[in-house]
Amino acid sequence: EVQLVESGGGLVQPGGSLRLSCSASGFTFTSYAMSWVRQAPGKGLEWVSTSSGSGGITYYADSVKGRFTISRDSSKNMVYLQMNSLRAEDTAVYYCARALRQWLVFDYFDYWGQGTLVTVSS
Amino acid sequence: QSALTQPASVSGSPGQSITISCTGSSGDFGGYKYVSWYQQHPGKAPKLIIHDVSDRPSGVSNRFSGSKSGNTASLTISGLQTEDEADYYCSTYTTSSTLFGGGTKLTVL
Repeated sequence: EVQLVESGGGLVQPGGSLRLSCSASGFTFTSYAMSWVRQAPGKGLEWVSTSSGSGGITYYADSVKGRFTISRDSSKNMVYLQMNSLRAEDTAVYYCARALRQWLVFDYFDYWGQGTLVTVSS
Repeated sequence: QSALTQPASVSGSPGQSITISCTGSSGDFGGYKYVSWYQQHPGKAPKLIIHDVSDRPSGVSNRFSGSKSGNTASLTISGLQTEDEADYYCSTYTTSSTLFGGGTKLTVL
């Protein structure tokens, strides 16, 4: 059974940093691209970042480029999102999501975690 | 990428059919079948219900169907049920990003 479990959310001050983690299980981790999608309170979905299965190819939304870094550890089946220079507008539930098909970098998201809330406030 | 535009809300009665539209620029949909729809109930993670314009993942009810004409994709839900009340998002992707529509709140009266 495919499972994605996020952790690491919390309250952080503007300008601060936070690292989110996503633990993946139930599938061949290195075969699938993984992404982060966020949802501000009461708002819609926003794609944040995608990493290829190998981790060698990464993409970012313009809103986070230069501040966020996606990475993955295939030995632990973990995906991370390092978030620096956080702003109030980064406040959201952050979801980890898996690509539908193997080997594609961009694809639909067929499995999602339960989300972890990040609140940026002083 | 420009926006994918969805109506903010739609409503219907149990047993009826409704359609949610998703309109983008030609660049957004790129002439390809990269269109998907997600269903999200309050406090829950999104669920993929349609991909490649009209394909349903295993386990998704055949009451959900998708189509596309030009720059507008559509999600149709037939035989509305109370559990269909949720937010629905269209989405597309390119070789460098993924884009979501603003979402449509479906109310089953």
